[in-house]
Amino acid sequence: QSVLTQPPSASGTPGQTVTISCSGSSSSVGNRIVSWHQQLPGAAPKVLIYNNNQRPSGVPDRFSGSKSGTSASLAISGLQSEDEADYYCAAWDNSPEGVVFGGGTKLTVL
Amino acid sequence: EVQLVESGGGLVQPGGSLRLSCAASGFTFSSFWMSWVRQAPGKGLEWVANVNEDGSESKYVGSVKGRFTISRDNAKNSLYLQMNSLRAEDTAVYYCARGRGFGDWGQGTLVIVSS
Repeated sequence: QSVLTQPPSASGTPGQTVTISCSGSSSSVGNRIVSWHQQLPGAAPKVLIYNNNQRPSGVPDRFSGSKSGTSASLAISGLQSEDEADYYCAAWDNSPEGVVFGGGTKLTVL
Repeated sequence: EVQLVESGGGLVQPGGSLRLSCAASGFTFSSFWMSWVRQAPGKGLEWVANVNEDGSESKYVGSVKGRFTISRDNAKNSLYLQMNSLRAEDTAVYYCARGRGFGDWGQGTLVIVSS
């Protein structure tokens, strides 16, 4: 069982905005740095968001991250068919526990 | 361009050992923590271990403590994972990733533990 809780599935139609949540305790999210990762079918993961809300160069600004209290969220606006993938949140700090992942959310574009 | 290339995966019997390697290029390797993340077939991502910039500090997920050892050679821009006493539940694709937030990922190497 993952320390971070994500909904197992999410869906939306092209053009819509979808939000994926990542919740935990104050020790799992609140005091940690969150990143979000996209895994297309059969491919390695790829970072979408790092340091809670920073987007690497090359990642479309349709993807945005936020964190508040013990939850983090990934929002995908202007949903496209190629966004159909698994999405994972991860959180780390300097504690001995290292890094924790969410269980992943499978996004379906209807 | 950042490149992370894993190698060393394969089929190993339960109780056996395997050493994974990750060759890094395109960034200043010695300036970053490095991580190993695994994904069992059909399952989600699981962080395995990470190591700090000079190799003096490392952390592990509980299920591999005492069995796996992460190390690095900054002169060779390489990251390693020594895996001993392997179990069936260690079967997974193992990814090398840059940083504790996984800013870049390799393509993965498959480890199968089976008799």
